[in-house]
Amino acid sequence: DTGVSQNPRHKITKRGQNVTFRCDPISEHNRLYWYRQTLGQGPEFLTYFQNEAQLEKSRLLSDRFSAERPKGSFSTLEIQRTEQGDSAMYLCASSPTGMRGEQYFGPGTRLTVT
Amino acid sequence: AQKITQTQPGMFVQEKEAVTLDCTYDTSDQSYGLFWYKQPSSGEMIFLIYQGSYDEQNATEGRYSLNFQKARKSANLVISASQLGDSAMYFCAMRPGPNTNAGKSTFGDGTTLTVKP
Repeated sequence: DTGVSQNPRHKITKRGQNVTFRCDPISEHNRLYWYRQTLGQGPEFLTYFQNEAQLEKSRLLSDRFSAERPKGSFSTLEIQRTEQGDSAMYLCASSPTGMRGEQYFGPGTRLTVT
Repeated sequence: AQKITQTQPGMFVQEKEAVTLDCTYDTSDQSYGLFWYKQPSSGEMIFLIYQGSYDEQNATEGRYSLNFQKARKSANLVISASQLGDSAMYFCAMRPGPNTNAGKSTFGDGTTLTVKP
């Protein structure tokens, strides 16, 4: 199957530690998105790449969050000095450049900060 | 800024009946895209249907149709002949601008649909 994959699926970390998540998009998609979702809420936009260029970053994102997409393939999302408020599901999605722009989501990485 | 409002936190429908999930949106863009996604309890978001702001006809995809009323800024999802597997969270989302310049999508807070046997 060539869908969006995310690793790890679950991550438990202690407050103050750094964590890194990986997303592998659908190979022919040049757009990649990161979202954060908490229980009972819709996905909240974090950042967006077109190929290797990071074109938009949410103002809600603090400097502790950084994302990269080297060579326009996989992407990583790093959270430094994690806080309990960072506990959430982190979703990655990729999108083709057709007329619609629908997004295809991965299974997510569930982060728990203790 | 774009905003999506889904006013129904939870909905119930009898199996084999039709159900409408409401979505209203707010944008100053003339060109935009509207989407519905399904999120089962397993967690993975699934794209269901798309409507472009300049599309004159309502979108349909199998048992899903989108009731698009541009003047009222509403994009309701209609699911016909509900099945037990339709029980899930449903999100309405909007992409600003034409897809050539597409950026983030804004999502509503979702509606939980429960299909009763």
